[in-house]
Amino acid sequence: GAGVSQSPSNKVTEKGKDVELRCDPISGHTALYWYRQSLGQGLEFLIYFQGNSAPDKSGLPSDRFSAERTGGSVSTLTIQRTQQEDSAVYLCASSPAGAAYGYTFGSGTRLTVV
Amino acid sequence: DAKTTQPPSMDCAEGRAANLPCNHSTISGNEYVYWYRQIHSQGPQYIIHGLKNNETNEMASLIITEDRKSSTLILPHATLRDTAVYYCIVRVSSNDYKLSFGAGTTVTVRA
Repeated sequence: GAGVSQSPSNKVTEKGKDVELRCDPISGHTALYWYRQSLGQGLEFLIYFQGNSAPDKSGLPSDRFSAERTGGSVSTLTIQRTQQEDSAVYLCASSPAGAAYGYTFGSGTRLTVV
Repeated sequence: DAKTTQPPSMDCAEGRAANLPCNHSTISGNEYVYWYRQIHSQGPQYIIHGLKNNETNEMASLIITEDRKSSTLILPHATLRDTAVYYCIVRVSSNDYKLSFGAGTTVTVRA
């Protein structure tokens, strides 16, 4: 597609429920990244996929967070048993392999846990 | 990564140049200076990056001091659509994907 697409754009969920956030990267981009941005905070790295390599999950804050990337394209970030501190904007970005310059970000999913 | 320091906010008149400073006094020799911006309710947008030479693209110019301890992002003719939070970060290129933004500079362009 023309850009990185994320869905849903907004999600309100009850504490304790599971949520799935979806990211469609730019076609042909082999690298995909998930970040989150809490209210008034900066950007926080979560996970990185590059081609068929094992993902770098070192930024995931707890084992309630997981992510998959199917067929080297679409990615899903899953948060189990959501907590209020999970409320944030979850951003996905993609880039060509080995890009030395900036990534293309999606508009994010605003997650609110009530 | 080296830390960066930016002013929290600045105003700019529409049509004038906006000069955004960034201090990165502990930058390493292999670290690049990157600038991103984030318009309200959108994801971050890459603007420009450089190592030691000044750089220019269709969006902005980047001026890096000779000692590389500071830099300035220049928006040559600011428009209302340039109102955003601007982030200056330093990172090693290519495989350094763990982007981490600080508070940035909130730039407000006024008519």
